[in-house]
Amino acid sequence: AQRVTQPEKLLSVFKGAPVELKCNYSYSGSPELFWYVQYSRQRLQLLLRHISRESIKGFTADLNKGETSFHLKKPFAQEEDSAMYYCALADTGNQFYFGTGTSLTVIP
Amino acid sequence: GAGVSQSPSNKVTEKGKDVELRCDPISGHTALYWYRQSLGQGLEFLIYFQGNSAPDKSGLPSDRFSAERTGGSVSTLTIQRTQQEDSAVYLCASSLANYGYTFGSGTRLTVV
Repeated sequence: AQRVTQPEKLLSVFKGAPVELKCNYSYSGSPELFWYVQYSRQRLQLLLRHISRESIKGFTADLNKGETSFHLKKPFAQEEDSAMYYCALADTGNQFYFGTGTSLTVIP
Repeated sequence: GAGVSQSPSNKVTEKGKDVELRCDPISGHTALYWYRQSLGQGLEFLIYFQGNSAPDKSGLPSDRFSAERTGGSVSTLTIQRTQQEDSAVYLCASSLANYGYTFGSGTRLTVV
């Protein structure tokens, strides 16, 4: 069963506009949620974890258990945010499940 | 080393040949994963090792694919009788508990 869903394969926004990358999950327990980012020609890297409740590079993500969502948001997109973004879920056995990714393009 | 190391970084092979891809995880990380990223596609899970438990091989696309992890550290992904559709970037990642993955930079496999 698909545990992590990223409904948008491609997303384009203008520089300075708000951006939201959607992620929904299905899991009966208490998952840990993550966002990973892959910039062009770089390795995949951790962007943020829900448990840390942090803001990285202006991005935030709030775990909404009622809506089973973990959307990634940034109020003002920058050109350097253009990348591939993956939402991921870790179950209680530390097995990770990735979404199919969203390619974000920020238009100058 | 400080990160996850994969070798080779690039591999070109002829159709029908066998290839071995190597992953050196971060020391002490108990979990190790192999993923495949095809052009324009997302990540495809291949196999998962956790400590001494039997690996989860549910993502391996065919019996031409196999992987092992020796001594709970280095892992080798082997593809036998390679096909052109095997061309992709093969990513290895390791993690400790639920702190998130650390990925290697991948091995770009091209089957000609």
